[in-house]
Amino acid sequence: GDSVTQMEGPVTLSEEAFLTINCTYTATGYPSLFWYVQYPGEGLQLLLKATKADDKGSNKGFEATYRKETTSFHLEKGSVQVSDSAVYFCARWNTGNQFYFGTGTSLTVIP
Amino acid sequence: GAGVSQSPRYKVAKRGQDVALRCDPISGHVSLFWYQQALGQGPEFLTYFQNEAQLDKSGLPSDRFFAERPEGSVSTLKIQRTQQEDSAVYLCASSSGQGAYNEQFFGPGTRLTVL
Repeated sequence: GDSVTQMEGPVTLSEEAFLTINCTYTATGYPSLFWYVQYPGEGLQLLLKATKADDKGSNKGFEATYRKETTSFHLEKGSVQVSDSAVYFCARWNTGNQFYFGTGTSLTVIP
Repeated sequence: GAGVSQSPRYKVAKRGQDVALRCDPISGHVSLFWYQQALGQGPEFLTYFQNEAQLDKSGLPSDRFFAERPEGSVSTLKIQRTQQEDSAVYLCASSSGQGAYNEQFFGPGTRLTVL
């Protein structure tokens, strides 16, 4: 069935390091893809999205490119900050009302 | 308030008890979603409302789970005869548009522990 697979965490990086969190999807058709973030003590919030192949979503220095050929939507940031410490969820929507989330990747950035 | 609120934030129930979880969406938001998030997992879809109509309840795990949104604003998720496997964080989200494509705004969740 349709699903989203994320790299397992936790991930620990030093400040200013490069971040990649892998996400791949399986789906029929052409889903829209999302990254949601959950900061400590807060609710999930949308970080970025892409609705079709080759689209790039970007926000707060994070980027992800919708790659149909590899069915991937990897999240990247060139220089992470302590304030980026959070849990990141990849998600997809195809049709209907259901969102499919990955299992989440916990990121800790140390000064 | 400006965001989605949920109450209670924490709930401990004895096995077999009924519980009711409340969600106050952002005012004017048409769509409302409920999710169940087990420890270490991503949220899993339970049900979807468009205004007061429950358009999709395919994710409800059993007939012990029931959700309502009678006036198209506040929603309640009820779990009857709770079981230990119901222990999870229950998330509510709302969005201004119809369906799951639009940005969803999440509440902080209710952590349910069934003893």
